[in-house]
Amino acid sequence: GQQLNQSPQSMFIQEGEDVSMNCTSSSIFNTWLWYKQDPGEGPVLLIALYKAGELTSNGRLTAQFGITRKDSFLNISASIPSDVGIYFCAGRNYGGSQGNLIFGKGTKLSVKP
Amino acid sequence: DSGVTQTPKHLITATGQRVTLRCSPRSGDLSVYWYQQSLDQGLQFLIQYYNGEERAKGNILERFSAQQFPDLHSELNLSSLELGDSALYFCASSGGDRDNYGYTFGSGTRLTVV
Repeated sequence: GQQLNQSPQSMFIQEGEDVSMNCTSSSIFNTWLWYKQDPGEGPVLLIALYKAGELTSNGRLTAQFGITRKDSFLNISASIPSDVGIYFCAGRNYGGSQGNLIFGKGTKLSVKP
Repeated sequence: DSGVTQTPKHLITATGQRVTLRCSPRSGDLSVYWYQQSLDQGLQFLIQYYNGEERAKGNILERFSAQQFPDLHSELNLSSLELGDSALYFCASSGGDRDNYGYTFGSGTRLTVV
């Protein structure tokens, strides 16, 4: 089935640092989404991307839909403590038999000790 | 509050038992999706219902079943529970059948099988 490879698996951030994570797929997607999950809560949608090459921002967050339609990245600028959590990429391709969101395994952001 | 309500929040039960998880979608949403989240597997799609009908199936075990009722709430039934079924179970909803938008997730039900 379709799989999303998300990296890095985890990272430590210091307040003020920029953060970058990405997601790659073996298949083409026509929608890429980025979610954030806080402890004890469900994932919350951050950014949605619908067109190859699209670059979209939401405050300090910027995400891009890769030209090949097989990848996406999320950048967080000037990180703050509340950015801690798990970030998931998700993709969808209605051309496949499963037209539902496929999720990556997540990137866990923690504060540098 | 996302508008998607899941009950119960926590559930502890013994192996071999059967449980029912409940989900009320966001007002106006017709599609309900169930996902299982375990530590090493991330979010795994189980099943989708749209306006009462099963629309898509993912990696759902035969011991698991779901349904969506006329008032659009959905239930996920897990039977003959095994230790490995311990996980967070999320329900999500969206407006249509093939929305090109993200889903809205509930806060999940944490199932512990002992």
